[in-house]
This record gives sequence, C-alpha cells and structure tokens, in this order.
Amino acid sequence: ETGVTQTPRHLVMGMTNKKSLKCEQHLGHNAMYWYKQSAKKPLELMFVYSLEERVENNSVPSRFSPECPNSSHLFLHLHTLQPEDSALYLCASSQELAGTYGNEQFFGPGTRLTVL
Amino acid sequence: AQKITQTQPGMFVQEKEAVTLDCTYDTSDQSYGLFWYKQPSSGEMIFLIYQGSYDEQNATEGRYSLNFQKARKSANLVISASQLGDSAMYFCAILYTGGGNKLTFGTGTQLKVEL
Repeated sequence: ETGVTQTPRHLVMGMTNKKSLKCEQHLGHNAMYWYKQSAKKPLELMFVYSLEERVENNSVPSRFSPECPNSSHLFLHLHTLQPEDSALYLCASSQELAGTYGNEQFFGPGTRLTVL
Repeated sequence: AQKITQTQPGMFVQEKEAVTLDCTYDTSDQSYGLFWYKQPSSGEMIFLIYQGSYDEQNATEGRYSLNFQKARKSANLVISASQLGDSAMYFCAILYTGGGNKLTFGTGTQLKVEL
C-alpha cells in the first residue's frame, strides 16, 4: 500500500476547463514534488515544496498552478491546458529536502491526464 | 548539470535468470545519490535501491544489487532470479544536494521477463 495517494487517477478535460489534481502523503514527510511524464521522455520535475514553501519552479507554464496548504497535501490547479499537456502527472514526497542518504522520493500512482 | 543515460530501451530475460540494466551518469558534483525505480504498467514509481556517491560498498536490496563503478560513472542494476512480476519499466535517477532535491531521471529500460 502506497503512502502517497493521488486523485483522480484519470482525467479528461477540454482546453477551456479548470480542474485540480490532488496529492496526499501519509508518511510524515516534509518535501513534496510534482513531476510530468510524457510518452518517450524522461520524467520532468515541475515543482518542489518544502514545509509548504515552493523552492523550485522548473520553467513551468502559468497554466499549471501548484498549491501546498500543509505538509501532507499538494494540489496542481489546471486551466486552459493544451493537448501537449496530456501526460501522467506524478506526485512524490521525501523526508527532507536536503541530503541524499535515505532521502528517496516515494511516488503516488499518478493521474493520467488527457486534454482534448 | 546532471545527466542520466540508459542505453537499453528494451530488454528480455528468461524467468529465474539474472539481468543487468545499464545506467551511466554525468555530474561534476562530488556528493550525489543514485536511485533505481520500477514503474509497472499501473504507473506508480516504486523505489528499489539507493547508492550514495561516498558509499564504498555496492548497495543490495533482496534480489536487487547495484554495480557501482564511480570512476566509470556507471550504476548498473542487477536483478537476480527474475520473476514474471519484474516485467516493468526501470528508471535510473541521480540526485544531488545542490538545492531543491532535484531528481533527474533517465529515459528508462522496458524489461520483459519470459517463461
């Protein structure tokens, strides 16, 4: 059983819609991440939050808007997306933001997003 | 900048055999971590094994072991006694402590275990 959950698992939306992806971690971690996984491309880091503060924004278009209300929850608000935004969106968490030893990132099952 | 290269887009192995998945990396950092993740068709990324750049011994976790050759900048994953459930996509990733806990992934290797 994963300690990171994501809802919804699948989402189909039109380009004019507004939707939100939700991520929740039950591991007591302090850092959370959004990744985008497109077909035949490596995972791309989108956003990093540590203790509810955004510490990384990897040149992501403004039509993606993250929100971290507390250390257990992370949202990705979507509006006026493009068809090329169709991808698997993965949320992850780790114990801390700094250091590598024992600081592996635990991933949720992802949200498969299709933009029509 | 970090870079991870996985040169095998697909691999086949027979059940109960061992298989090695290649991973090379490029970094100028002295302190970094190397990770392997498994992604079944369900989509979830499952952490398998970790190797720190200062670890002198190769990491092992059950049937997984990491063949770490620092001078060659390679971190190959060895899966012993393959099982049908090992069929999945496998990703190598590097993390450095230069801020943001940024995990950089390779393009992955699709492993298929056959009877």
